Amino acid sequence: AQTVTQSQPEMSVQEAETVTLSCTYDTSESDYYLFWYKQPPSRQMILVIRQEAYKQQNATENRFSVNFQKAAKSFSLKISDSQLGDAAMYFCAYRTRRVAGGTSYGKLTFGQGTILTVHP
Amino acid sequence: DGGITQSPKYLFRKEGQNVTLSCEQNLNHDAMYWYRQDPGQGLRLIYYSQIVNDFQKGDIAEGYSVSREKKESFPLTVTSAQKNPTAFYLCASKPRGARNTGELFFGEGSRLTVL
Repeated sequence: AQTVTQSQPEMSVQEAETVTLSCTYDTSESDYYLFWYKQPPSRQMILVIRQEAYKQQNATENRFSVNFQKAAKSFSLKISDSQLGDAAMYFCAYRTRRVAGGTSYGKLTFGQGTILTVHP
Repeated sequence: DGGITQSPKYLFRKEGQNVTLSCEQNLNHDAMYWYRQDPGQGLRLIYYSQIVNDFQKGDIAEGYSVSREKKESFPLTVTSAQKNPTAFYLCASKPRGARNTGELFFGEGSRLTVL
């Protein structure tokens, strides 16, 4: 079974600075998705960034970028120019791309989450 | 606007009572999911459904039941057999085929407190 581990329960950063959130995962599959979701105080889960494992290029979305190390099974999120609105719980998640049925179809496996505090 | 609506947002129940959480989506998504969120444990999958009239157990299905009679709706019943039902429950959906970009789309969640 796949597992996702976020080893940093809490992180903090000064406004306008850069912070990196860590995520490691365990899988025997070669084709999968990785995601970072943000959960602000409203509790709604918002997709931050997506990475497909077959793509070597690291995904980037504005101030958010990832460092995807497939061999090391590592998927860290870098937030540049941090803003107060970035304060939230961040979850790393894994999903297989396997489509031939099976009980894991479409299932996201989540890490435990990292609470990010942004100081003004 | 298209989206996923969960209701109620907050629910209080006494021990031993069954409760049903509603999840409705107007995104025309085929697959729907229920996750449970507890502090320090991330999100865990309860049930999911890929198509109408079909659903599968997730990792923590004991004490829960679901139905999928309509594409738009995927209600979750928390039964009295669930030993620790107090939690935050999140419903999600996902399209299939060409519109599938891998991620799940989430509702705003329902907070259940059993007294």
